[in-house]
Parts: sequence; C-alpha cells; structure tokens
Amino acid sequence: GAGVSQSPRYKVAKRGQDVALRCDPISGHVSLFWYQQALGQGPEFLTYFQNEAQLDKSGLPSDRFFAERPEGSVSTLKIQRTQQEDSAVYLCASSPSGSLYEQYFGPGTRLTVT
Amino acid sequence: DAKTTQPPSMDCAEGRAANLPCNHSTISGNEYVYWYRQIHSQGPQYIIHGLKNNETNEMASLIITEDRKSSTLILPHATLRDTAVYYCIVRVAFGTGTASKLTFGTGTRLQVTL
Repeated sequence: GAGVSQSPRYKVAKRGQDVALRCDPISGHVSLFWYQQALGQGPEFLTYFQNEAQLDKSGLPSDRFFAERPEGSVSTLKIQRTQQEDSAVYLCASSPSGSLYEQYFGPGTRLTVT
Repeated sequence: DAKTTQPPSMDCAEGRAANLPCNHSTISGNEYVYWYRQIHSQGPQYIIHGLKNNETNEMASLIITEDRKSSTLILPHATLRDTAVYYCIVRVAFGTGTASKLTFGTGTRLQVTL
C-alpha cells in the first residue's frame, strides 16, 4: 500500500514568509510525528499527534511553529515568519497506536530559507 | 530516554558481514533498543528492535548483551544498497495507549565498498 507522503518535497522561502508543509500518513495510523533534520544531524522530534489530539509539542523550537491534524489524518506543519535557521528537512512519520510499533517515515520536505 | 554512543563511521566490503556497535549503558528496564537507517535523501527506515533477547528478521540481526548496556546490529551480507546512516535508539515502551518519540543521535555512517 501507499506509504507516508509529504508535499512539497522542496520549498524555498524568503526570510519572513510563512510556509505550510503537508503530511499524508498511512491510512488508519493513529499516531503522527513531525521531526526536523538539520544538515549532517539526526532527526529531532518536534511534535506528536494521537488522532486529532496534539499530545506533545515540546520539540517545537518557537511559537512560530504550529502543527495541526484537525480530522485525525492529514497534518500540516506551519512556520510563520521563516528565519534562516529554519532551513532543514522536515520529516513526518506515522504509526499504529502504541509505543512499540515502528514509525514509518515520509521522504521529507527540504525547506531552504533565503 | 537513555543516550546511545555509536562510532561516527565504518566501512565494510560488499558481501561481508557489517557489525555496527552501540553503547547504551544507562538503559532502563522498560526501554527497548531500536535500529533505524537513513539512506541518502530518504526518510529513516525501521530495521529491528529488541528488549533483551537476540532478534533476527529478513534485514538484520540484533545482539543485546546480557547486561543490556550495549548491542550490535549485524547485516549478514552487506550490499552497496546498505550504504546509509544507521541509528541506534533507546525508546521507552508506554504500552498500547500512547506512542513515544524517537530520539536520534548522529548515528554511524556505513560505507559498503566493492
């Protein structure tokens, strides 16, 4: 079946612009995660949803970052007033309910802020 | 979650076994060892996980020491397609109700050569 998809795959934004990154998880997966991966580093956790509820947003670096999953399926990560330090690959992952299940990752969105 | 220590890089000849070590000396009794890998320009991919017994699947074997303070991921017959960054992750298991984030380090960059 289809895996996790993300769009756009690449995004270039001028500093100060707002961006929205979309994640389509695997159908039926309850849990959805967002991670940020800087160049040469491992992914870092941003936020976690169980269905439509955002249960953990401790990794969001500032109040410019906002995530939602209103119907418990598709999720959007929004970054307001982008800064150069926001340049990174943003990864989305989904999994069935439960902490032992593996997370299935999408290909990521590469954001470049100029 | 317990921290992990991995060598930054390793080389392996194609067709030979690749043995990737990981230290997790502060692991707790309810923490599992997970391995993911990330091929260039792709999202991370789950490989295997275990609690205290050795595990094997179609991709790899996981050997966990009796004291659980270290583990080794074994790719029995490495191919060029196994060239990737391999992440060892220690993850708390909350049970069936709540998923838990993955805490990646910088991983081991495995280069498989002809």
